Amino acid sequence: EPEVTQTPSHQVTQMGQEVILRCVPISNHLYFYWYRQILGQKVEFLVSFYNNEISEKSEIFDDQFSVERPDGSNFTLKIRSTKLEDSAMYFCASKLLAVQETQYFGPGTRLLVL
Amino acid sequence: DQQVKQNSPSLSVQEGRISILNCDYTNSMFDYFLWYKKYPAEGPTFLISISSIKDKNEDGRFTVFLNKSAKHLSLHIVPSQPGDSAVYFCAASERSSGGGADGLTFGKGTHLIIQP
Repeated sequence: EPEVTQTPSHQVTQMGQEVILRCVPISNHLYFYWYRQILGQKVEFLVSFYNNEISEKSEIFDDQFSVERPDGSNFTLKIRSTKLEDSAMYFCASKLLAVQETQYFGPGTRLLVL
Repeated sequence: DQQVKQNSPSLSVQEGRISILNCDYTNSMFDYFLWYKKYPAEGPTFLISISSIKDKNEDGRFTVFLNKSAKHLSLHIVPSQPGDSAVYFCAASERSSGGGADGLTFGKGTHLIIQP
């Protein structure tokens, strides 16, 4: 069964460093998402991406964040200058159609900023 | 502002019995609701969903009920099995102005423990 994959599974970085989290969505899906879950808190929407551009973003997704689909398969989240509070699980998700269609999540990347 | 609320942080149910997980929402623009199951150190796994035009959707042991007037939905698991022990998240999406690339709004989750 097709699934969303994410790399790396764990990432440790120093405050102020740039990190790139990678995702390979399900191959025929058209909509891509990033979410995060800070330890002990709920899953929060960051950004959605469709047709090679950002469709929607939350207040969390500030200028430090960017997303890209550099080729036909990868979908990346870049944090330019990491802060301690960026430590969280980051989940990528994808879905096939526009409205009322299920989003499928990857296993996540655990980011720890020291 | 919690637009999706799961007021029970945990729920303990005996194996074989019915598990009922509840979720309330405040945003009347939500039109699609989903339940996800999550194990530690894994991503949310889709379980079942329901559109706002329906009041019930069933898939095997899982049934979701939607009461729009009360802005309430529930997930029923019958019979409960040990493998059902996990955190269950209620999520909702809103009619978007266009494109359909709506982000999901999640509740805080309910930790379901199935006791043998």
